[in-house]
Amino acid sequence: GAGVSQSPSNKVTEKGKDVELRCDPISGHTALYWYRQSLGQGLEFLIYFQGNSAPDKSGLPSDRFSAERTGGSVSTLTIQRTQQEDSAVYLCASSLGRGASRWETQYFGPGTRLLVL
Amino acid sequence: DQQVKQNSPSLSVQEGRISILNCDYTNSMFDYFLWYKKYPAEGPTFLISISSIKDKNEDGRFTVFLNKSAKHLSLHIVPSQPGDSAVYFCAASAIGAGNNRKLIWGLGTSLAVNP
Repeated sequence: GAGVSQSPSNKVTEKGKDVELRCDPISGHTALYWYRQSLGQGLEFLIYFQGNSAPDKSGLPSDRFSAERTGGSVSTLTIQRTQQEDSAVYLCASSLGRGASRWETQYFGPGTRLLVL
Repeated sequence: DQQVKQNSPSLSVQEGRISILNCDYTNSMFDYFLWYKKYPAEGPTFLISISSIKDKNEDGRFTVFLNKSAKHLSLHIVPSQPGDSAVYFCAASAIGAGNNRKLIWGLGTSLAVNP
C-alpha cells in the first residue's frame, strides 16, 4: 500500500557532517509532521507543514535543523553540523490536513535511525 | 515539563487477561486523546482515540476511558493477546499557537503479553 515512506532507513555519520532525511507522505495528505524519538524518550515534535501555509517550526531544537516541503508533497529534514546528541529515530507522519478544528489521524513512516559518531 | 505522563515504563500480563495502560495529563486545554501502538523498527500506528466530550470509547478488544476531573485516561485491552506486545504511546492534542494542532506524547509503556 502507499503509506508514508522515509529514506534512508539507517544513517551513520560523523560529528560535524550534514545529513538529509527524506519523507514521502501519503498521496493527497496536505499535512506533514516531523518528530524525533531519542533513546528512552517520547516523541518530540519538530516541525509541521500544512498546505501552503508557513510551517510551524516551533519544535526545531536549534538553527542547525531545517526542513522544507517541495510541491506540497515530499519533505526533507536537514541537520547541519551534526552532533552526537542528534542521534535518534526521526519519524515523519502525514494526515489529510482538513484543519485544526478537529483531530485527524496521523500516519507514520518507519523512521530514519540516525547515529552520529 | 512532561504534560503527558505514562508512569509505568513496562507492563507484563498473561495471555487472556486484561491489560490496563494508564496515562495522566496536566493541560486542561487538551480536547482529544489518542493511543498509538509501536512495534520495533516501525513507526507508531493509530489504535484508538477519545474526544474530551466523552468518557469511554470502545473498539473491539480495546477500550479507552477518560476521567477529565482526574486528568487521567486508560487503555484496556481484553483479552490480551501475544500480538499485543508492543510499546503503547498516549498522546494528547490541543490547538496551539498559530491555530495549529499538535500532539503531545507520553514516553510510552512497553507491554509484554506472555503466552
